[in-house]
Amino acid sequence: NAGVTQTPKFQVLKTGQSMTLQCAQDMNHNSMYWYRQDPGMGLRLIYYSASEGTTDKGEVPNGYNVSRLNKREFSLRLESAAPSQTSVYFCASSENHGLSPLHFGNGTRLTVT
Amino acid sequence: DAKTTQPTSMDCAEGRAANLPCNHSTISGNEYVYWYRQIHSQGPQYIIHGLKNNETNEMASLIITEDRKSSTLILPHATLRDTAVYYCIVRVGNSWGKLQFGSGTQVVVTP
Repeated sequence: NAGVTQTPKFQVLKTGQSMTLQCAQDMNHNSMYWYRQDPGMGLRLIYYSASEGTTDKGEVPNGYNVSRLNKREFSLRLESAAPSQTSVYFCASSENHGLSPLHFGNGTRLTVT
Repeated sequence: DAKTTQPTSMDCAEGRAANLPCNHSTISGNEYVYWYRQIHSQGPQYIIHGLKNNETNEMASLIITEDRKSSTLILPHATLRDTAVYYCIVRVGNSWGKLQFGSGTQVVVTP
């Protein structure tokens, strides 16, 4: 039981390049989330998927797209990376959107030069 | 979400209980208390949550005062792997939007 698995762990991109961050959970959770963590700003929600087949914008969605591929997998795509997107990205899942606790992956450390 | 106040840091001897306080004097009736921790370079880890009753799981116990204005997370037998930053969050259970962890308590468990 691995919980929430994120790939890759580290990535360096040049401005304008694109990439997809992958996330998978094996806890049969309905809801999945993408956050970014920057110093002094806590965790900010980028996008979430309350249930399979739905996605919604969070607090900071600009420059990102998501795909809920199936119940297990939720990917985050940067179409044209910018230095402002340098951050640590965390994927999380919860049994249901709302009260259920969040379970986080170990993050992807992205640097955009 | 209600604001929380935690001590900046605390030390604990390995094998002893660690008691982590959190003040949330502006908590409202429908807000839950959640505890997470973050070990350096890892994702936040859920520990426990509660509304008004004391809670216990395999990781910790959560004691909430009767007036709900403060709570204490208890790690019963601290190990070196419990060294982390511990965050107390108070929130209504409607959605997981912005997750402002605050500065938390840096706990260092020493041999």
